[in-house]
Amino acid sequence: EAQVTQNPRYLITVTGKKLTVTCSQNMNHEYMSWYRQDPGLGLRQIYYSMNVEVTDKGDVPEGYKVSRKEKRNFPLILESPSPNQTSLYFCASSLSWPGTRQNEQFFGPGTRLTVL
Amino acid sequence: GQQLNQSPQSMFIQEGEDVSMNCTSSSIFNTWLWYKQDPGEGPVLLIALYKAGELTSNGRLTAQFGITRKDSFLNISASIPSDVGIYFCAGFRTGANSKLTFGKGITLSVRP
Repeated sequence: EAQVTQNPRYLITVTGKKLTVTCSQNMNHEYMSWYRQDPGLGLRQIYYSMNVEVTDKGDVPEGYKVSRKEKRNFPLILESPSPNQTSLYFCASSLSWPGTRQNEQFFGPGTRLTVL
Repeated sequence: GQQLNQSPQSMFIQEGEDVSMNCTSSSIFNTWLWYKQDPGEGPVLLIALYKAGELTSNGRLTAQFGITRKDSFLNISASIPSDVGIYFCAGFRTGANSKLTFGKGITLSVRP
């Protein structure tokens, strides 16, 4: 089944404790992206990657890191989480730029992160 | 950055009613997309629009790409309880630093 998977789905942690949220897709997509969703703010892009070893900042990259060592994986790293990073996080992938024809963006199920 | 305006934040309708929601921007977009997010899940693409004036249907859903390229609307006809969720619009503009910009979403509630 074609899908985007994220782990963990739920995570409660404390300020300053490094964490990684994994994202994997099995559709051989070039483009991958991370979003955070907050009430009243909608979806905001954190980072995206157009290909292996190619990553770029989105709208809200501060406090996050990503890597794209393999095509299928795009982990999100929080080196020193803070309470304002408490949010619902989505990973997404598409064949190419998600706004172009035939490049539907598929979203993962989400990771709910709470930073105490 | 670019902003897409969706309002109101929440809508409440009776089952069987039609509902229309729109999305506006001060910037021109080349693509308009409409997504739905069911509770506890990620957004799913409903309709994609690639040409100004384009009108596209997907079952009970109809969406249009505004002629000015600065707006789009989504219409749901004969609503049913499973239409409950958050509806996001998104715009894409080609060129340097192309990216997808999302609206803040409208939460739709359907009363049986």
